[in-house]
Amino acid sequence: EPEVTQTPSHQVTQMGQEVILRCVPISNHLYFYWYRQILGQKVEFLVSFYNNEISEKSEIFDDQFSVERPDGSNFTLKIRSTKLEDSAMYFCASQSGTAKNIQYFGAGTRLSVL
Amino acid sequence: KQEVTQIPAALSVPEGENLVLNCSFTDSAIYNLQWFRQDPGKGLTSLLLIQSSQREQTSGRLNASLDKSSGRSTLYIAASQPGDSATYLCAVKGGDDKIIFGKGTRLHILP
Repeated sequence: EPEVTQTPSHQVTQMGQEVILRCVPISNHLYFYWYRQILGQKVEFLVSFYNNEISEKSEIFDDQFSVERPDGSNFTLKIRSTKLEDSAMYFCASQSGTAKNIQYFGAGTRLSVL
Repeated sequence: KQEVTQIPAALSVPEGENLVLNCSFTDSAIYNLQWFRQDPGKGLTSLLLIQSSQREQTSGRLNASLDKSSGRSTLYIAASQPGDSATYLCAVKGGDDKIIFGKGTRLHILP
């Protein structure tokens, strides 16, 4: 069964450094998403992406965050200057069509900011 | 604004018992509702997805029901096993395409 792949599984970085989290969505999917889960808290929506642009973003997704699909297969989340509070599990999801379709989630990347 | 609540927050039951996890949501205009399992420090495993037009879905010992009009869903686990110990997340998807998650129920099956 096709799956969403996220790399790395665990990323450790120093505060203030830039990180890029990578996702390979399911190949024929058109809609892409990032979610975040701080330890012990709810999974929260960050951003949705369609047709090479952001469709919607939450209040969490500030100027430190950016997303892109650089090569037609990868979907990346960049955090420009990491803060301690960015430590969380980041989940990528993809979906083939509009809202009626299922979002498939990757296994997540655990980001630890020291 | 959609809110998803899961009760109880934690539950311990002896092995072999049947149990029910509850989920409620405030906006009934949803496309689907999904139950996930999450082991400590791990990713999300999708268990069951119920489309808005459906009333229930079954997979093995799991049965999920949906009452859209009252904003409720239940996840029924039959004959619980220690391997069922995990956090169970309820998530709803609305027309804005976002998935809104509950905080989860932390389930512990006692051997």
